[in-house]
Amino acid sequence: DAMVIQNPRYQVTQFGKPVTLSCSQTLNHNVMYWYQQKSSQAPKLLFHYYDKDFNNEADTPDNFQSRRPNTSFCFLDIRSPGLGDAAMYLCATSRANQPQHFGDGTRLSIL
Amino acid sequence: AQSVTQLGSHVSVSEGALVLLRCNYSSSVPPYLFWYVQYPNQGLQLLLKYTSAATLVKGINGFEAEFKKSETSFHLTKPSAHMSDAAEYFCAVSVWGNKLVFGAGTILRVKS
Repeated sequence: DAMVIQNPRYQVTQFGKPVTLSCSQTLNHNVMYWYQQKSSQAPKLLFHYYDKDFNNEADTPDNFQSRRPNTSFCFLDIRSPGLGDAAMYLCATSRANQPQHFGDGTRLSIL
Repeated sequence: AQSVTQLGSHVSVSEGALVLLRCNYSSSVPPYLFWYVQYPNQGLQLLLKYTSAATLVKGINGFEAEFKKSETSFHLTKPSAHMSDAAEYFCAVSVWGNKLVFGAGTILRVKS
C-alpha cells in the first residue's frame, strides 16, 4: 500500500547529541511536512517542502533543519537536542490543495 | 489569520450514544476544513474534509460534519458511538496552500 513511513518509531538520544529522523513516501506527493507534537497538544508545523522549495515557519528554532534529497525522502535534523525537544515528530505529505497524509510518527526522547 | 477552537478538551459518551465534537473556525476567506483522528502512538488519519461543495460532509467510520457559515462551525457527529471510536480528534483549517492550522484536540472516551 502507498504510504508515509517514518523511521525509527522510537528514538532516544542524549542531550546535545545530533539526531536525524527520516520520512519516506510512496505516494509521489510533491509537498512534505514536518510537525512537532508535544503531549496533549496539537501538531505544530515546523517546515514544509513544496517540491524542492523549503519553507520554514517563523517560530521554528534554528536548532531544527531539514533536507529533502528527492521526492520520496525527507529528513529532520536536530543539531543539539534539548530536553524541550522531546516530542512526537510527524511527517505528512500531500499534493497541492489536497489533504495531508500522515506517517505514524517518531517519538523522540532526550536523556 | 485563521484559527480553530475546539470546545471541550475531553468528551465522554456511552457506547451507542450520539457523538458530538464541536469546532469553530475563524477565517477571512472561505476555508477548507478537516477532521482528523489520532489513536495513541499513531499519526493522524483523515476522517473527512469540507472544500466548499456540499455543506454536509460524510466521512469514514460513520462520521459526518456540517459546515455552517453563519455560525462559523464545523461540528463532527456520529449517531452511535463504538468503543473503537475512543481517540483524539483534531479539527483543522487550511487557507493558503496546504498549510493546516489545528485546534487543540478533543479526547473522546466511550464508556461501555
